[in-house]
Amino acid sequence: QVQLVQSGAEVKKPGASVKVSCKASGYSFTSYYVHWFRQAPGEGLEWMGQINPSGGSPNYAQKFRGRVALTAETSTSTVYMEVNGLRSEDTAIYLCARDVGVVPGRDYFDHWGQGTLVTVSS
Amino acid sequence: DIVLTQSPVTLSLSPGERATLSCRASQSVRRYLAWYQQKAGQAPRLLIYDASTRATGIPARFSGSGSGTDFTLTISSLEPEDFAVYYCQQRDTSITFGQGTRLEIK
Repeated sequence: QVQLVQSGAEVKKPGASVKVSCKASGYSFTSYYVHWFRQAPGEGLEWMGQINPSGGSPNYAQKFRGRVALTAETSTSTVYMEVNGLRSEDTAIYLCARDVGVVPGRDYFDHWGQGTLVTVSS
Repeated sequence: DIVLTQSPVTLSLSPGERATLSCRASQSVRRYLAWYQQKAGQAPRLLIYDASTRATGIPARFSGSGSGTDFTLTISSLEPEDFAVYYCQQRDTSITFGQGTRLEIK
């Protein structure tokens, strides 16, 4: 079955970077885009960007361009999301999700990781 | 960015009742709208996409309708497991979500 398993919780100081992983299994890794989202405590969902694991440049939401980097490692079927220059307002649960359709995708999301809590605190 | 406004913020109903949730877009998103269910401590679950297509494994009591700027998610007869937060999401221009509707037990 399709599974996305994310790395564990992180605590970071302001100004630091964090890198979260999302390991995929149960499907053809290079056939589906993977998207990243975040959800601040008690808040709604915010789309951060997407990556085509088979290659090409990631696509980022305007708000995160220049501060977020998505990469994919086909040998391990893993997608990584790195956020630089962390601020307290970046404290959130970060989630990866698979697109519902094969590349070029449909921009709907049918399988999700369990989420990774990133806490930014001095 | 396209803003999605969901109403009501909270909906209090009893099992067996019909639930009607609304999502209004700040500009037309054609039919490029999805609905998700999220329970506490869990990831979202895709219910409906392209305004009215049920995702794989979603029960028939969930239905979606609408186009342009006004959309509705209907749950025909509430089951105990349906009480959760529901989000709409558009993919017409970038990707944005509504702020959610909390469906609670009355």
